[in-house]
Amino acid sequence: DGGITQSPKYLFRKEGQNVTLSCEQNLNHDAMYWYRQDPGQGLRLIYYSQIVNDFQKGDIAEGYSVSREKKESFPLTVTSAQKNPTAFYLCASSSQGESDEQYFGPGTRLTVT
Amino acid sequence: QKEVEQDPGPLSVPEGAIVSLNCTYSNSAFQYFMWYRQYSRKGPELLMYTYSSGNKEDGRFTAQVDKSSKYISLFIRDSQPSDSATYLCAMSEVGGSTLGRLYFGRGTQLTVWP
Repeated sequence: DGGITQSPKYLFRKEGQNVTLSCEQNLNHDAMYWYRQDPGQGLRLIYYSQIVNDFQKGDIAEGYSVSREKKESFPLTVTSAQKNPTAFYLCASSSQGESDEQYFGPGTRLTVT
Repeated sequence: QKEVEQDPGPLSVPEGAIVSLNCTYSNSAFQYFMWYRQYSRKGPELLMYTYSSGNKEDGRFTAQVDKSSKYISLFIRDSQPSDSATYLCAMSEVGGSTLGRLYFGRGTQLTVWP
C-alpha cells in the first residue's frame, strides 16, 4: 500500500528534551511538508522540502529543525527552544508541481509536560 | 489579516440537510482550491480539488469557486452522520517561490445528527 506513515501516534516528553518525529512516504513524491495543528486553528506550516537535501522555513519554524537526506523521509525535531511544543503534528507530501494535491499522514500527537 | 478566512462553527444539522461551508481569501494569485475532511485525531483527506473558477461535483459534494468575490464553497447534499468531521479549505498560488505551498483556513467543525 502506498502512503505516508508517521510514528509514533502519541509521544510524551519532559520539558527541555528534544524529540524527533518520523515521517516516511512511499508515494515517490518529491515535496514533503510539516504542519502543526492546535485546537480551533488551521494548519500552520513549519518546514517544507521540494527536493532532497533542500528545505525552506514555513511560518512557524522557530524551535524546529528538519533534514531531508532521502526522498522518502523528512524527520522533524522539536527542540527545547520551542516554547509551546504540545500539539498535533502532520506530515504531508505531494508530487513536484504547483497543481499537485498534498496527501497527509495520520499525525503524531506530542505532549510535553 | 489572515489570507484565508473560514468560520470555525461549530455547525450542527439534522441528517438529510444540505450543508454549506465557505471560505474567503484575500490573495488574488490563488488559483487552486481544495477541500479536506478531517475526522477527529486523524490526518486530513482530500475531498475536492478545483482549478480557477467554476463548479465541480462529486456524488453528494459540490465545490464552487467565485474568484471575482474571492469566495469558495462546499455543499453537501443529503448529509449523513458519517459526514461529521472538520472541513478545511486550502488554496495555492500559481508559480512563484511558494510552489506547492498550501494556505489553510481554520476549519469548520460539522456535526450531522440522526
